[in-house]
Amino acid sequence: DTGVSQDPRHKITKRGQNVTFRCDPISEHNRLYWYRQTLGQGPEFLTYFQNEAQLEKSRLLSDRFSAERPKGSFSTLEIQRTEQGDSAMYLCASSSLGGSANEKLFFGSGTQLSVL
Amino acid sequence: KQEVTQIPAALSVPEGENLVLNCSFTDSAIYNLQWFRQDPGKGLTSLLLIQSSQREQTSGRLNASLDKSSGRSTLYIAASQPGDSATYLCAVRPRNQAGTALIFGKGTTLSVSS
Repeated sequence: DTGVSQDPRHKITKRGQNVTFRCDPISEHNRLYWYRQTLGQGPEFLTYFQNEAQLEKSRLLSDRFSAERPKGSFSTLEIQRTEQGDSAMYLCASSSLGGSANEKLFFGSGTQLSVL
Repeated sequence: KQEVTQIPAALSVPEGENLVLNCSFTDSAIYNLQWFRQDPGKGLTSLLLIQSSQREQTSGRLNASLDKSSGRSTLYIAASQPGDSATYLCAVRPRNQAGTALIFGKGTTLSVSS
């Protein structure tokens, strides 16, 4: 499978616990994005990496959230002290450096987080 | 601030009908507009990307148009099939906003009955 891979597919956790998600982008893609989607809404941007550098973070990304892409390949998104409002689908996408006009994003299947 | 709106929120049609999904955006300063498909509980699949200098793109039974000056795009699906049932999302890449993030609409959920 040469697509974007996310693990786990589903995560159920209790409020206050920490969770970590992993994303493996398409191998030749140097851009990696994290989005969050709640039911009935479109995805909302969280953060973006170009290679290993985290170039942009949304105001949605509170200090409980941290993302890394240590070697410019896979990425992890950690949420500390989870809250019920964190329940959502967390989507990862990757792209090659094609310029803003024709950059196409390829999305993974997402990690569905439920905070009880 | 760029906002993207999709109308209708939901649409039900019988198999074989041609249909149009609408997307509007508030700021015409965009690099491109993309249409995605999302199946329940799944990620997004890119369908079509229209650069700001283009007027339309076609892929199989799908045709997307872009009228940047009026802030509108349409996705035309010809001869709909039950397998087309999904949520269709429109997204723009703003030119004037800081950052590179796509701004998404809430989507149109399409149901095609056999």
